[in-house]
Amino acid sequence: QVQLQESGPGLVKPSQTLSLTCTVFGGSIYSGGNYWSWIRQHPAKGLEWIGYIYYSGSTFYNPSLKSRVTISVDTSKNHFSLKLSSVTAADTAVYYCAKVSLVDNWFDPWGQGTLVTVSS
Amino acid sequence: NFMLTQPHSVSESPGKTVTISCTRGSGSIASNYVQWYQQRPGSSPTTVIYDDNQRPSGVPDRFSGSIDSSSNSASLTISGLKTEDEADYYCQSYDTNAVFFGGGTKLTVL
Repeated sequence: QVQLQESGPGLVKPSQTLSLTCTVFGGSIYSGGNYWSWIRQHPAKGLEWIGYIYYSGSTFYNPSLKSRVTISVDTSKNHFSLKLSSVTAADTAVYYCAKVSLVDNWFDPWGQGTLVTVSS
Repeated sequence: NFMLTQPHSVSESPGKTVTISCTRGSGSIASNYVQWYQQRPGSSPTTVIYDDNQRPSGVPDRFSGSIDSSSNSASLTISGLKTEDEADYYCQSYDTNAVFFGGGTKLTVL
């Protein structure tokens, strides 16, 4: 059974780049049939799709974040990563990674999430 | 692009039935599958319904999903409410290379 785990700094300074990694356990990113996605949730707010990547490296981003987001994949380490540049306090959120079925865009499973706070 | 609109909150008593709606703002609700996720406080979302009306293994049959083309909406119905069903529920759908979440509905079971 696939499990995902986010990792990375919990505190980032304004104007810097937020960097997170999602490691996949119990399955291979290289197997195909799935996208690998990042989603965030602002405190006490709803879910916001950030983007996703296919194992080949093809990426799709939320247009509202596209200018600041890079998602990459490292199949040798079975993980994928998120970089969000020029962060502000508005980027403070819990960041989740998830496996997404290509067929129906079903997000399952999700990682446990990691809180990233943007503050000086 | 489109929006998915959910009621902010709903409440119902234990043992009763509640329905949460998810209205698609543009384009047909039937064009793309709808998923429903449950999120308890402090936890990550988990699936209760996928592909409009399918239940993952382990989700009780008290949870059901449907779509209605006349109202261009999807619905999540929970029957025989239990206090453990109290959570936030999110609908989700997609378009070509884009994903959309509803704003979430807080279900209170009191």
